[in-house]
Amino acid sequence: GENVEQHPSTLSVQEGDSAVIKCTYSDSASNYFPWYKQELGKRPQLIIDIRSNVGEKKDQRIAVTLNKTAKHFSLHITETQPEDSAVYFCAASLSGGSYIPTFGRGTSLIVHP
Amino acid sequence: DAGITQSPRHKVTETGTPVTLRCHQTENHRYMYWYRQDPGHGLRLIHYSYGVKDTDKGEVSDGYSVSRSKTEDFLLTLESATSSQTSVYFCAVGGAGDEQYFGPGTRLTVT
Repeated sequence: GENVEQHPSTLSVQEGDSAVIKCTYSDSASNYFPWYKQELGKRPQLIIDIRSNVGEKKDQRIAVTLNKTAKHFSLHITETQPEDSAVYFCAASLSGGSYIPTFGRGTSLIVHP
Repeated sequence: DAGITQSPRHKVTETGTPVTLRCHQTENHRYMYWYRQDPGHGLRLIHYSYGVKDTDKGEVSDGYSVSRSKTEDFLLTLESATSSQTSVYFCAVGGAGDEQYFGPGTRLTVT
């Protein structure tokens, strides 16, 4: 089955800095890669996703890049703000069918004012 | 929030008692999932459903059962609760574009 490794487990940055979270996956058939943000005490929420036919996707201050050859994808957050502080989860799955994603273990991002 | 509710939101129960958690959705999603979240483990799939009365096991299904008799409801039952099942439980539904939408979670404590 699919295995997703996520690093780092904790990331501490100063406000305004950039943050990068990396995930690797094992199943080359996976073609859908979402990122979820979970604020303290809240539910995970989708913030951005990418499919295997695209190398990069941006949405304002966040972007995701995908390297299919190396089987890794990354979340980039620029100009970090204190409200970006949360746990971020990556996932990998095969599009369609039974929709069973495999999640990484999460990265706790702390943005210091 | 994709119209997902979970009940109860908090529960304290004793070891050995059965517990049922409910997930309710209003948007007719075909796929529904139950996860547990524990520190250091991320989100782990317990069971999922791909239609009424169609369910399958996830990676941590031991000690849990599920039922889905209606599209909108997915029930998770802990047959005989143990302290290792103390966790936060999230229900999720599958969106049209492969994404998942999560419910607000249920915090379960087994004493």
